[in-house]
Amino acid sequence: TQLLEQSPQFLSIQEGENLTVYCNSSSVFSSLQWYRQEPGEGPVLLVTVVTGGEVKKLKRLTFQFGDARKDSSLHITAAQPGDTGLYLCAGANSGAGSYQLTFGKGTKLSVIP
Amino acid sequence: GAGVSQTPSNKVTEKGKYVELRCDPISGHTALYWYRQSLGQGPEFLIYFQGTGAADDSGLPNDRFFAVRPEGSVSTLKIQRTERGDSAVYLCASSSFGTGRVRNEQFFGPGTRLTVL
Repeated sequence: TQLLEQSPQFLSIQEGENLTVYCNSSSVFSSLQWYRQEPGEGPVLLVTVVTGGEVKKLKRLTFQFGDARKDSSLHITAAQPGDTGLYLCAGANSGAGSYQLTFGKGTKLSVIP
Repeated sequence: GAGVSQTPSNKVTEKGKYVELRCDPISGHTALYWYRQSLGQGPEFLIYFQGTGAADDSGLPNDRFFAVRPEGSVSTLKIQRTERGDSAVYLCASSSFGTGRVRNEQFFGPGTRLTVL
């Protein structure tokens, strides 16, 4: 069974601060995705990383996929209240013939104005 | 449609009853997935359809759960003899393989919140 562990589970910071959340596994994934979910809504895809060592930037968000494709991080610069939400990482092993995503439990981020 | 839609948005039922949850995927998406999200947890995979057939149903917890996609578009998740432990948000997602097979990008609906009393 593949597991993804996210840390921290909860994070409360002041507007303007920087933060990093982590997604770790003992398994290798063919791709890894980050989603943000707000209360009462479904997860919204932020980014997909495929290549080991890959770094992607989305405005103030920087995503990195580990060299071994087992872990990932999300760094937010100068956090804003609109960044508040549940950040989920999800791994896929498409090469195994199944296209299900394995999700972590998420990091619940609160950005205080 | 523009995105994945799910109905109803909320469903309250009594223990032992039968429920059906509907998912309408993004037009043209051949793959459809059902996930279940309990409070404080990430989504957990239930079943995956490629076209009309269930390609992977390994996540269904028991034989009370069943899903269909008869015309390769809309899907219905069916739960028989509901139990209190079935209470959760049921999420549907769709994807288009095309050139995205490796990337496996899935787009989620808003979910159906099921409460079993």
